[in-house]
Amino acid sequence: RKEVEQDPGPFNVPEGATVAFNCTYSNSASQSFFWYRQDCRKEPKLLMSVYSSGNEDGRFTAQLNRASQYISLLIRDSKLSDSATYLCVVNRGSARQLTFGSGTQLTVLP
Amino acid sequence: EAGVAQSPRYKIIEKRQSVAFWCNPISGHATLYWYQQILGQGPKLLIQFQNNGVVDDSQLPKDRFSAERLKGVDSTLKIQPAKLEDSAVYLCASSPNLLAGGYEQYFGPGTRLTVT
Repeated sequence: RKEVEQDPGPFNVPEGATVAFNCTYSNSASQSFFWYRQDCRKEPKLLMSVYSSGNEDGRFTAQLNRASQYISLLIRDSKLSDSATYLCVVNRGSARQLTFGSGTQLTVLP
Repeated sequence: EAGVAQSPRYKIIEKRQSVAFWCNPISGHATLYWYQQILGQGPKLLIQFQNNGVVDDSQLPKDRFSAERLKGVDSTLKIQPAKLEDSAVYLCASSPNLLAGGYEQYFGPGTRLTVT
């Protein structure tokens, strides 16, 4: 089983739609969780951290369910510029190492 | 603030040849990572340095891959000899000191390697 599993998509949604991505992780000892965004042929960049209480950053909402080892990302009012691959990321151990999922590809259509 | 620099951006070599990649992290960042990203997959950690010491190289194929960070700043990753399956983007990332910093890693633009 992969350490971090994501639905690869692709998700093709119209502008203004709400879209949700899910992710599961296998290491119950993981402490920190993130969503990174990767544009086509670019490097990954941190989108947001995921906290146990859930957190929101503008149109983006991240949720964590430790009991189910499940992380989600909700994007409301999708914009064309949201088109990218979204990587679910979990820390591995105490050395601040990150394990990346394979990513979910999102395309927002005009 | 300058970001993570990598060179070259692209490299095409034949199998069994050697290749080296260079990375200059963000100034002051003590921790440096090399990742391999194969098309359609997420980045996979190859090696992590803290200053000039190796923290973890458990996923580095040591029969052909080597990396160094001699002065605790720049780093090089070498593949010798290359195989077809080494075709990937090699990403360098840096983050502040392990003991004081957060988890965010700052990535360079990567080197796209094609082995023919």
